[in-house]
Amino acid sequence: DTEVTQTPKHLVMGMTNKKSLKCEQHMGHRAMYWYKQKAKKPPELMFVYSYEKLSINESVPSRFSPECPNSSLLNLHLHALQPEDSALYLCASSQGTGGDYEQYFGPGTRLTVT
Amino acid sequence: GENVEQHPSTLSVQEGDSAVIKCTYSDSASNYFPWYKQELGKGPQLIIDIRSNVGEKKDQRIAVTLNKTAKHFSLHITETQPEDSAVYFCAAGSSGGYQKVTFGTGTKLQVIP
Repeated sequence: DTEVTQTPKHLVMGMTNKKSLKCEQHMGHRAMYWYKQKAKKPPELMFVYSYEKLSINESVPSRFSPECPNSSLLNLHLHALQPEDSALYLCASSQGTGGDYEQYFGPGTRLTVT
Repeated sequence: GENVEQHPSTLSVQEGDSAVIKCTYSDSASNYFPWYKQELGKGPQLIIDIRSNVGEKKDQRIAVTLNKTAKHFSLHITETQPEDSAVYFCAAGSSGGYQKVTFGTGTKLQVIP
């Protein structure tokens, strides 16, 4: 099974809401990633978890809060977002934790902040 | 940090023709170069990758070449088909411990039937 799943597929939230994005993989991968992708742009790295510990935070605003409950799950908690945070949020995983491992991407969550 | 440039930004080819997308990178420590295909409404999917100890790699209609000296690598798609239409991203990564790949800006490929 080489699949990364993400829920929900679509999410509309107001600026005062709290919501969470979920990601799951069952490939035994030790690294998991959150990316943000705006239209017609490449994925932009937000966070990297390595062996369930946060190893990279690319200076992401605190209104985005990642969580890795176990080696298969990755959450992204959202609070007090701005309209400019509307984007496709992608989760990925890789077997190892270096920059030379293949990353498997999920289908993404399309987030709209109103 | 690493900087990856990708050209062209859009590419239209007739079905059956070849398509070439080119990328350059800046960090000589980069040694892993994946190519991702992203179809509308989907996440990026790896289609081929190459490491710095190899100059060329081929998988059916897709090939990638790497010139370490010039710091550029290219994706070649032969006998293009309408289902090849998508956005393609090149990327560069390093085994040197930094856990990220740097993506190029993307090429929107349209294959005209």
